[in-house]
Amino acid sequence: DSGVTQTPKHLITATGQRVTLRCSPRSGDLSVYWYQQSLDQGLQFLIQYYNGEERAKGNILERFSAQQFPDLHSELNLSSLELGDSALYFCASSAHPNQPQHFGDGTRLSIL
Amino acid sequence: AQTVTQSQPEMSVQEAETVTLSCTYDTSESDYYLFWYKQPPSRQMILVIRQEAYKQQNATENRFSVNFQKAAKSFSLKISDSQLGDAAMYFCAYRRGGLDQGGSEKLVFGKGTKLTVNP
Repeated sequence: DSGVTQTPKHLITATGQRVTLRCSPRSGDLSVYWYQQSLDQGLQFLIQYYNGEERAKGNILERFSAQQFPDLHSELNLSSLELGDSALYFCASSAHPNQPQHFGDGTRLSIL
Repeated sequence: AQTVTQSQPEMSVQEAETVTLSCTYDTSESDYYLFWYKQPPSRQMILVIRQEAYKQQNATENRFSVNFQKAAKSFSLKISDSQLGDAAMYFCAYRRGGLDQGGSEKLVFGKGTKLTVNP
């Protein structure tokens, strides 16, 4: 158990819909990262937060947004969903940006 | 941009034998970290081992060890005494060192190597 909690584990929805993925980092970790794992793109970095502030953006679509709350949990919002958004979405956390990242179990998103 | 290449999509090994997974990377940075992550069928991402680029000594964690060749930009993973539980996808990952602005702490992953362990 990495200590990083992601909910829900599975999500099935339709095109055009909006979903929210939630991540609770390990106790004391200030950095949260979101990654997308798909068959064609592999593991891609989406966005990083540190202590409530956005720190870096990667290959994140404009239809996607995220935030980190004062209690350090994070949410990834995906809107106007397309079939190609079907993927495994991972959250990772680290105590400090220079420390190893520990991953949650992921949220499997399926778009029908 | 940094890239990570895993040239072996699949590998297999007999139980109790040794296997080496290959990884090469491309970077112009001198300060960076390299990692191997394991993803079993349960889909968890588990940190196996990490190497700081400034350390010449190869990292070791029990049956897992790396061969870090900085000049060649090569970072292979050796699994000794392979066990059935080692069957998984293995991902090599790169991360820049330092704490400058611009997302330097993001992990850049290779495409992965699927390891099968035969009894």
